[in-house]
Amino acid sequence: RKEVEQDPGPFNVPEGATVAFNCTYSNSASQSFFWYRQDCRKEPKLLMSVYSSGNEDGRFTAQLNRASQYISLLIRDSKLSDSATYLCVVKSDPGRRALTFGSGTRLQVQP
Amino acid sequence: ETGVTQSPTHLIKTRGQQVTLRCSSQSGHNTVSWYQQALGQGPQFIFQYYREEENGRGNFPPRFSGLQFPNYSSELNVNALELDDSALYLCASSGGGSGSSGEQFFGPGTRLTVL
Repeated sequence: RKEVEQDPGPFNVPEGATVAFNCTYSNSASQSFFWYRQDCRKEPKLLMSVYSSGNEDGRFTAQLNRASQYISLLIRDSKLSDSATYLCVVKSDPGRRALTFGSGTRLQVQP
Repeated sequence: ETGVTQSPTHLIKTRGQQVTLRCSSQSGHNTVSWYQQALGQGPQFIFQYYREEENGRGNFPPRFSGLQFPNYSSELNVNALELDDSALYLCASSGGGSGSSGEQFFGPGTRLTVL
């Protein structure tokens, strides 16, 4: 079983739609959680951190459920520029020095 | 732009050869992590260097090795290349020994093709 699992998609949605991505992680000792965005043939970039209380950044809302070991990302009012792969990322402390990435969920927003 | 640079951008090698990839970290960052990203997969952690010492290693064989220099730039060396080593190699820099905030800043990557 992979440490971080995501639905690979693709999710094809029209502009203006709301779309949600889910992610599960297996290491209950994981301490930090993130969503990264990766455009085609580019490097990953941090989209947002995910906090236990949930957090919002403009059209993006991230939620964490530690009991279920589940992370989500909600994108409202999708834009064409949101088309990308969204990577669920976990950092397990103490001891682990690395980010553990899911395989990513591909989003295609269509006009 | 993150300020993290990598060279070369693309590389073609044949099986059995050796390769060295280079990374310059963002100014002020003392930690460099290397990741391998195969097509359709997320990045997989290879190892991390903090102040010139290896600071954690993923599930990669010893033929993957690295260095960090006093200016915090880093090299990834891969010996005895195999076809499965074909991937995008990403370097990420961060400010603390464990990347305390979790955010790592990625370079554009080196795309390695092994024939």
